[in-house]
Amino acid sequence: EPEVTQTPSHQVTQMGQEVILRCVPISNHLYFYWYRQILGQKVEFLVSFYNNEISEKSEIFDDQFSVERPDGSNFTLKIRSTKLEDSAMYFCATKGGRTEAFFGQGTRLTVV
Amino acid sequence: AQSVTQLDSQVPVFEEAPVELRCNYSSSVSVYLFWYVQYPNQGLQLLLKYLSGSTLVESINGFEAEFNKSQTSFHLRKPSVHISDTAEYFCAVTGVNAGNMLTFGGGTRLMVKP
Repeated sequence: EPEVTQTPSHQVTQMGQEVILRCVPISNHLYFYWYRQILGQKVEFLVSFYNNEISEKSEIFDDQFSVERPDGSNFTLKIRSTKLEDSAMYFCATKGGRTEAFFGQGTRLTVV
Repeated sequence: AQSVTQLDSQVPVFEEAPVELRCNYSSSVSVYLFWYVQYPNQGLQLLLKYLSGSTLVESINGFEAEFNKSQTSFHLRKPSVHISDTAEYFCAVTGVNAGNMLTFGGGTRLMVKP
């Protein structure tokens, strides 16, 4: 069964450092998303990406965040200058159309 | 815009007992509805979905959910739970357009006790 792959599984970074979280979508999927889940809290939408541009973003997705699909395969989330409150599980999800979204296993980001 | 409310943050239940996890949503447009399950230290797995057709949908491991448009609900039920069902369950809604994102409820932690 095809799956969404995220790397790394766990990232520890110093406050103020840049991090890049990577996602390999399911090959024929067209819609890509990032969500985050702060420990013990709900899953929150960050951004959606379609046709090489952001289609929708939440209030959480401020100027510190960016997404791109640089080589047509990987879908990345960059946080330019991490803050303690960015510590969370980050999930990539992809969708082929009017179907369910498939989620990766997540990257646990710990900012110290 | 949509919103999802899961009224119970935790549901403790004994093994082999029935369980219902409640989910209510609000939306100004037509929606698709989903239940995702998250086992400890794992990602989100789709449990079941309602897209159209029969309002009662079932999963392969005995869960079922019923879409009730008038009540704007999508409650999840299982007649007899197992220890292995212990997990966090998230109800989610999306608009019917292809690129719409998911809006999640706050989650319900199902704790099955022996």
